[in-house]
Amino acid sequence: DARVTQTPRHKVTEMGQEVTMRCQPILGHNTVFWYRQTMMQGLELLAYFRNRAPLDDSGMPKDRFSAEMPDATLATLKIQPSEPRDSAVYFCASGLGTDTVPSSYNSPLHFGNGTRLTVT
Amino acid sequence: AQSVTQLGSHVSVSEGALVLLRCNYSSSVPPYLFWYVQYPNQGLQLLLKYTSAATLVKGINGFEAEFKKSETSFHLTKPSAHMSDAAEYFCAVSRHYGGSQGNLIFGKGTKLSVKP
Repeated sequence: DARVTQTPRHKVTEMGQEVTMRCQPILGHNTVFWYRQTMMQGLELLAYFRNRAPLDDSGMPKDRFSAEMPDATLATLKIQPSEPRDSAVYFCASGLGTDTVPSSYNSPLHFGNGTRLTVT
Repeated sequence: AQSVTQLGSHVSVSEGALVLLRCNYSSSVPPYLFWYVQYPNQGLQLLLKYTSAATLVKGINGFEAEFKKSETSFHLTKPSAHMSDAAEYFCAVSRHYGGSQGNLIFGKGTKLSVKP
């Protein structure tokens, strides 16, 4: 059963340290999303990619967050420097989409199990 | 701008009772609506989706939802709750209509508890 793989599952780090989260989308999926989940804000979209190109990263704090897709099998989300308010669960999701048929319409988004980040 | 409101952050039902989770949406264009379920320590899984075909949508695990344009609602129901239904449920609306942008806006979630 194909699934989205996220690593690490848990990360505890000190304020100011760099954090890198990784996501392996389902093979063949061309759209990748990064979401952040907190108790206060719920699920927020940070960024998403189509065919490895960033389409929207308006939800991401630009000064400290960066998202990339070095190749079709790997998406990364980096925080540098990390802050306590970044503590959250970060989810990656992948799907199939085209320029006229967004991925969420015809095929379900497949979510990874998330990376739980704690910044002390 | 699109948005969703889930009424009730926590719903508790007895096993075998009706499950009703409420979702109201706001959308300036015909909406595409979704329900996702999240089990503890897992990502979200799609339960069902409405994409302008039938207004009554059937999903997995016996869940269904009805799109009511006049009420701007998309409530999720299941006739008989099972212990395994205990999870958090998220209603979502597509952020943009058409084009290459199909990302979702999620509600705050409703945690469903099922009592034996």
